[in-house]
Amino acid sequence: GNSVTQMEGPVTLSEEAFLTINCTYTATGYPSLFWYVQYPGEGLQLLLKATKADDKGSNKGFEATYRKETTSFHLEKGSVQVSDSAVYFCALSETGAQKLVFGQGTRLTINP
Amino acid sequence: DGGITQSPKYLFRKEGQNVTLSCEQNLNHDAMYWYRQDPGQGLRLIYYSQIVNDFQKGDIAEGYSVSREKKESFPLTVTSAQKNPTAFYLCASSTRLAVQYFGPGTRLTVL
Repeated sequence: GNSVTQMEGPVTLSEEAFLTINCTYTATGYPSLFWYVQYPGEGLQLLLKATKADDKGSNKGFEATYRKETTSFHLEKGSVQVSDSAVYFCALSETGAQKLVFGQGTRLTINP
Repeated sequence: DGGITQSPKYLFRKEGQNVTLSCEQNLNHDAMYWYRQDPGQGLRLIYYSQIVNDFQKGDIAEGYSVSREKKESFPLTVTSAQKNPTAFYLCASSTRLAVQYFGPGTRLTVL
């Protein structure tokens, strides 16, 4: 079946550090890939998405590139801020399907 | 403002009681979902509905029930058969392109 694996957290960085959160997936067909962010006590918000191989999703300084050859969708940001502290979820959906499969989430804490 | 509302934000239940969580959306989305989130864990799908008057079980449907009588509403009932119901419950709706939009969540605590 389809699955998503994220790097284990928690991740703690200093402000202005470079961020990478790894995400790999297993899927049949050609999935769409997503990153969602969850701030404390809230629901999830879509951060970025990519629908086909080599697509790059970007938003708020975050980027992720759909790598079919390595089945990966790693999240990166060049300079993190305290306000980026949250839990980040990688997810996939198969072509034509609306259900999402989520990774377990990675908690990120940014210290000033 | 379009969006998804969930109520209440906090809910307390005694053991053996059923309780219903509300989810309403005005985004005109056909599909709606219920997830359960436990501390430090990802989201697990309870039920989903792709169209009015139809719904399917997700990965952890036991002890839960839903209805979909209106496009904008998808209430979740946590029954007394659910052995460990304390959790954070999230409702979502989606476009045909699978982008899901989430409500703010309901935190259920069993006393």
